Amino acid sequence: SAVISQKPSRDICQRGTSLTIQCQVDSQVTMMFWYRQQPGQSLTLIATANQGSEATYESGFVIDKFPISRPNLTFSTLTVSNMSPEDSSIYLCSVRDNWNQPQHFGDGTRLSIL
Amino acid sequence: DQQVKQNSPSLSVQEGRISILNCDYTNSMFDYFLWYKKYPAEGPTFLISISSIKDKNEDGRFTVFLNKSAKHLSLHIVPSQPGDSAVYFCAASVLGGGSQGNLIFGKGTKLSVKP
Repeated sequence: SAVISQKPSRDICQRGTSLTIQCQVDSQVTMMFWYRQQPGQSLTLIATANQGSEATYESGFVIDKFPISRPNLTFSTLTVSNMSPEDSSIYLCSVRDNWNQPQHFGDGTRLSIL
Repeated sequence: DQQVKQNSPSLSVQEGRISILNCDYTNSMFDYFLWYKKYPAEGPTFLISISSIKDKNEDGRFTVFLNKSAKHLSLHIVPSQPGDSAVYFCAASVLGGGSQGNLIFGKGTKLSVKP
């Protein structure tokens, strides 16, 4: 399966600031996704990162808060904007080649907002 | 409304015995099910999957059973090893793509295998 690298692995940020998380895959992949895992909760899909066009956001997530880029088939970024303590979570990049194949995940970015 | 439920937050098993992790779902459209294992400070790792045309899939020590009429699946680990201690997530989706193809995850079950 593809090797997925996320940067940074963790960060502590001040409220009101923004952080951009990078996801790099070692091979071209069809689909890339961004997930959030809040403490004690399941993985929740934020959006599907579409190459060359705007991401597709799930209910409850908006582009102004979580802008996403995907300039090519191996790279994507997620920005968490105007952060508040409620944004403290693990953010995970995930990839999938087609719908009848399993998804694979990066190790995540552990974000704490003070 | 949780479409995928793992009702046991934790499970403790003796090394060498069987571990059984359970998962229930409510959406009858789901036809593709997966189990992931997650260690602390790592991302989820894919373990095993099953499509709704089967009722059992086996891979080494791991077997997944699907009961479509009960909307229930389970993961059996035999024999359990201390290295299996992790959080296990059940996930479900609809094959065929589109937004229905997105994985829906349960909250996870923390398995502890004691030596």
